[in-house]
Amino acid sequence: AQSVAQPEDQVNVAEGNPLTVKCTYSVSGNPYLFWYVQYPNRGLQFLLKYITGDNLVKGSYGFEAEFNKSQTSFHLKKPSALVSDSALYFCAVRDKGAARQLTFGSGTQLTVLP
Amino acid sequence: GAGVSQSPSNKVTEKGKDVELRCDPISGHTALYWYRQSLGQGLEFLIYFQGNSAPDKSGLPSDRFSAERTGGSVSTLTIQRTQQEDSAVYLCASGGAGETQYFGPGTRLLVL
Repeated sequence: AQSVAQPEDQVNVAEGNPLTVKCTYSVSGNPYLFWYVQYPNRGLQFLLKYITGDNLVKGSYGFEAEFNKSQTSFHLKKPSALVSDSALYFCAVRDKGAARQLTFGSGTQLTVLP
Repeated sequence: GAGVSQSPSNKVTEKGKDVELRCDPISGHTALYWYRQSLGQGLEFLIYFQGNSAPDKSGLPSDRFSAERTGGSVSTLTIQRTQQEDSAVYLCASGGAGETQYFGPGTRLLVL
């Protein structure tokens, strides 16, 4: 079975400060990892993914994430937060050797304060 | 190019009625997924279509739920005899050769 944990329901950060949204995962084999963002009354928007290769993945809007196999983590980061980054963020995983549907975390609401 | 589209955007129905939700995937994408997003359960997988293969229905919560995909493109999710616990946002996603799933805006279903 595969699972994802986002330990923080809410993250608040001041504009201009670095932000981190945490994600840990559990799979039997090798993971494919994803971050999506959801704005109010909208669908999920793809940010970035880790499939293979470099552990540091860069994505849209200045976001990046680091795959850490030993800690089974895939935390989302951005060096300087913008008010417009305020949204709901979802981490997702699937096992490379398993079915293609994604298992999502419970989501983290990010609020960037001006 | 055009993204995934879903219709209707909102649907209000009475308990016991049947509803049909539609998804138009990105052109050329062979994979199509349905997920459900609700306050109590988060994001849950429902069903997955890949090309002409038999769909993976392992996420459907009951036999009141069914889906089909015609001509390898448009998909319809049908919920029969709706219950209040079916109220949720139903999200469709499609995928091509890579691993990324691209999501539509969702259909917000409210069962009264």
